[in-house]
Amino acid sequence: GAGVSQSPSNKVTEKGKDVELRCDPISGHTALYWYRQSLGQGLEFLIYFQGNSAPDKSGLPSDRFSAERTGGSVSTLTIQRTQQEDSAVYLCASSPPSYEQYFGPGTRLTVT
Amino acid sequence: RKEVEQDPGPFNVPEGATVAFNCTYSNSASQSFFWYRQDCRKEPKLLMSVYSSGNEDGRFTAQLNRASQYISLLIRDSKLSDSATYLCVVNQAGTALIFGKGTTLSVSS
Repeated sequence: GAGVSQSPSNKVTEKGKDVELRCDPISGHTALYWYRQSLGQGLEFLIYFQGNSAPDKSGLPSDRFSAERTGGSVSTLTIQRTQQEDSAVYLCASSPPSYEQYFGPGTRLTVT
Repeated sequence: RKEVEQDPGPFNVPEGATVAFNCTYSNSASQSFFWYRQDCRKEPKLLMSVYSSGNEDGRFTAQLNRASQYISLLIRDSKLSDSATYLCVVNQAGTALIFGKGTTLSVSS
């Protein structure tokens, strides 16, 4: 069946520009997560949506980062005024109530 | 103290070897445990869940020790294709999964 999809797969942007990254979770999955991973580093948790509950935003590194999830499905991660240190792979994952997460292929963001 | 700690490795082993990875977690309220595998420049993929009674999937065996807050993964008869980074993952109900930084395995012929 269809897995988690993310778009774009690659994004190159200039410092100071805003970017939007999209995630389409697996149909029926109630939870959705955003992580980022810098080259050679571990996964850094950003934000977590569970059903209609308020999202857990504790991992967002600054107020330039925000995310929303519309209709309990598609999610958009927005980074305003991008900085070079924002360059990373941004991974989205979704999960059913059993907690096992399924990851999308990621968006590779490069800020020049 | 980090929530999930793993030996980063790398572990360099020959084909056919048995290798074990360990992981410790700090939050005693953690309820679910997993091992994920991540290939270079790819997304993480679930390898197996870890159950209290221990569980086996082919050449892979996972163990959980709640008292010691310790998780292990044993790989028998290593294959070249097992080369990857193995991520230890824990969570509590209603929270995001917490990933360790991973242990790198390199299997050589």
